Amino acid sequence: GDSVTQMEGPVTLSEEAFLTINCTYTATGYPSLFWYVQYPGEGLQLLLKATKADDKGSNKGFEATYRKETTSFHLEKGSVQVSDSAVYFCALSDRSANAGKSTFGDGTTLTVKP
Amino acid sequence: DAGVTQSPTHLIKTRGQQVTLRCSPKSGHDTVSWYQQALGQGPQFIFQYYEEEERQRGNFPDRFSGHQFPNYSSELNVNALLLGDSALYLCASSTLAGGPGEQYFGPGTRLTVT
Repeated sequence: GDSVTQMEGPVTLSEEAFLTINCTYTATGYPSLFWYVQYPGEGLQLLLKATKADDKGSNKGFEATYRKETTSFHLEKGSVQVSDSAVYFCALSDRSANAGKSTFGDGTTLTVKP
Repeated sequence: DAGVTQSPTHLIKTRGQQVTLRCSPKSGHDTVSWYQQALGQGPQFIFQYYEEEERQRGNFPDRFSGHQFPNYSSELNVNALLLGDSALYLCASSTLAGGPGEQYFGPGTRLTVT
């Protein structure tokens, strides 16, 4: 079955540091890939997505590129802020299905210190 | 737009009891998916409802059942509760015509089974 593996956390960075959170996946089909963010006490919010190979998703300074050859979708940000502290989830969805039934990684907790 | 709403926010039940969780989808959405998020893990897909029928189901026992109403709202029922059912239950709404992953999550219901 489909699966997503994220780098283990927690990750602690100083403000303005560079962020990378690794994500690799296995899928039987040709999935769409996503990063979600979960702030304390809240549900998941879609951060960015990519639907085909070499696509780059971007939002709020975060970027991730769909790498089919390495089955990866690493999340990056050039300069993190304290407000970026949250749990980040990598996920995939089978493109043959409608929205729903996403497969998630276990999440990576990011703490940014001033 | 109220977004996806869930009730109750928190719930404490005893082993063997039954529980019902409720979800109202985002305005304009007709599909509801339910996920279970155990502590420190990513969300696991339970099932998805569209047109008042279960369309897809994850690897959850029959103790987990659901319902969707004509107004697209949904309920998740869990019978014969086990300690391992303690988790955050997330509802996500989408449209059948939406792209893969175009889901909007509610804040979740925290279920504690004692």
